[in-house]
Amino acid sequence: AQTVTQSQPEMSVQEAETVTLSCTYDTSENNYYLFWYKQPPSRQMILVIRQEAYKQQNATENRFSVNFQKAAKSFSLKISDSQLGDTAMYFCAFMNRNQGGKLIFGQGTELSVKP
Amino acid sequence: DTGVSQDPRHKITKRGQNVTFRCDPISEHNRLYWYRQTLGQGPEFLTYFQNEAQLEKSRLLSDRFSAERPKGSFSTLEIQRTEQGDSAMYLCASSLVYAGGNGYTFGSGTRLTVV
Repeated sequence: AQTVTQSQPEMSVQEAETVTLSCTYDTSENNYYLFWYKQPPSRQMILVIRQEAYKQQNATENRFSVNFQKAAKSFSLKISDSQLGDTAMYFCAFMNRNQGGKLIFGQGTELSVKP
Repeated sequence: DTGVSQDPRHKITKRGQNVTFRCDPISEHNRLYWYRQTLGQGPEFLTYFQNEAQLEKSRLLSDRFSAERPKGSFSTLEIQRTEQGDSAMYLCASSLVYAGGNGYTFGSGTRLTVV
């Protein structure tokens, strides 16, 4: 069974600074995706960034980038130039491409961006 | 099409009562997922449909839970004889079969409180 672990329940960062959220996962599969989702207080889950396991290049989306270490089963999210609107819960998630598209989520990291 | 809609947004019920939630996915999405999220935790997979067929059910989905997706459009999740442990946010999501996670769209959820 796959598991996803986020070891930082809470983090805070000053506006305009950079923060890194950690995630590790466990799987014996080779064909999978990894995701970071953002869940603001309104509760709707929003996709931040996606990484395909067979791609060595780390994904980037504007101020968001990942450090994907496949051998170490590590998938951290870096947020540059943090903005107040980045305040939210962040979830790391795993999807086995051969298992119908269901997501396995970590416990979440609550990020606070302070002015 | 404005996204995935869930109804109601909030439901308070007495222990032992039955409740039913509805999810309207994005119209062209053939996969529909249900997740449960308890306070401070990441969502946990419950079940998913491809068109009208229910293809997988989690161990979390006890025999008090039933989900349907008639005609492959909207879905309902019913909980019979509710227990206090059923209190949670119930999230619905939809996607295309081969979206690979990019087209995964979540609804805003139904928050259930069992008193």
